[in-house]
Amino acid sequence: DTAVSQTPKYLVTQMGNDKSIKCEQNLGHDTMYWYKQDSKKFLKIMFSYNNKELIINETVPNRFSPKSPDKAHLNLHINSLELGDSAVYFCASSPGRRGNTEAFFGQGTRLTVV
Amino acid sequence: AQSVTQLGSHVSVSEGALVLLRCNYSSSVPPYLFWYVQYPNQGLQLLLKYTSAATLVKGINGFEAEFKKSETSFHLTKPSAHMSDAAEYFCAVSDPKAGGGNKLTFGTGTQLKVEL
Repeated sequence: DTAVSQTPKYLVTQMGNDKSIKCEQNLGHDTMYWYKQDSKKFLKIMFSYNNKELIINETVPNRFSPKSPDKAHLNLHINSLELGDSAVYFCASSPGRRGNTEAFFGQGTRLTVV
Repeated sequence: AQSVTQLGSHVSVSEGALVLLRCNYSSSVPPYLFWYVQYPNQGLQLLLKYTSAATLVKGINGFEAEFKKSETSFHLTKPSAHMSDAAEYFCAVSDPKAGGGNKLTFGTGTQLKVEL
């Protein structure tokens, strides 16, 4: 029973395409996140939602748009994909929005733009 | 702004030897600190966290870390390395302000190699 699940696990697409990554958590958490891990394994937060409300929006191109239809789901849509978008994208969730709560991570989606 | 520095992008130890992975943080307020482990092609798993209770924190798989405010450090240790410990380890800091969302700022990671 996967706690935080992402689909797809691998995504290969051409430049200029639009793609979505889906994330679902069955932990009953209120807060969800998207992190990007680049080719050097550096992790950086992109977005965070709490009960469907956007609470963290880092400096991310407008081509990236998160959507949270309910508190168990946080999807990431990317328009006009560029080569530099190639990375591993991790979804995560936590029980609350306080800084001392543990984040539970999904398995990641490896996006390759060609 | 908060930041984390992990000294040594690669650490190699012999099986049974002490593991020491270094993490120093920068924060204007007492932070919350975390160690995560990432196995190949996997997500991140929490090893342990410091949230202003005991300064010596014990985690899973025999790991522990000590918060030292005077040294702004949160080094990760394990007395005896096992082959299964080979992975990437990330130190992270989070903003303790309530309601700000648990925005984790990660270090650049340390790849641990365990040799026979």
